[in-house]
Amino acid sequence: NAGVTQTPKFQVLKTGQSMTLQCAQDMNHNSMYWYRQDPGMGLRLIYYSASEGTTDKGEVPNGYNVSRLNKREFSLRLESAAPSQTSVYFCASRGQGNGYTFGSGTRLTVV
Amino acid sequence: TQLLEQSPQFLSIQEGENLTVYCNSSSVFSSLQWYRQEPGEGPVLLVTVVTGGEVKKLKRLTFQFGDARKDSSLHITAAQPGDTGLYLCAGLKARGNEKLTFGTGTRLTIIP
Repeated sequence: NAGVTQTPKFQVLKTGQSMTLQCAQDMNHNSMYWYRQDPGMGLRLIYYSASEGTTDKGEVPNGYNVSRLNKREFSLRLESAAPSQTSVYFCASRGQGNGYTFGSGTRLTVV
Repeated sequence: TQLLEQSPQFLSIQEGENLTVYCNSSSVFSSLQWYRQEPGEGPVLLVTVVTGGEVKKLKRLTFQFGDARKDSSLHITAAQPGDTGLYLCAGLKARGNEKLTFGTGTRLTIIP
């Protein structure tokens, strides 16, 4: 019953460092998403992938890149981290129907 | 611009009381979902409503989609401490649209 697995759970970066957030789902879902969650802002879509081999920008894509490595995996990369990217990041997937399954999140702090 | 506004933003009530959370927009949605999120976890889907005027019940939780499909409400009867959490509404603008837009959230605390 893994569902959506995100790694790491916590990360502290210095400004300018890079890192990749990993996400994998085992439900054979076509669509995958990356959201960030900030206090009072709800969840905002960064990037999404409607199917293997395709990616599209969401509401707040600046400063991020994504890779849909295969049907299971969708990674989010910060090339040069900034304090404004301090947030909790959630990966999600969607199969038949409209319900999303979320991972448990990555809490990122950029100092 | 936040397409979905939730109210109240915070709510703290005694166990056993009833409450209603609202999710409002000026946009029409093809469907609307409600999620509950607990600390340190991702949101978990509670319900999806797709028809204007639709009412769905999940034990003590009643969800309603507005007739014009621009708003929704969540009513909890006889709240329990286990209902504590962040409640999020989220809407899809059109069938087949990939982008789920989330509301601002309502943080609910039930006091034993």
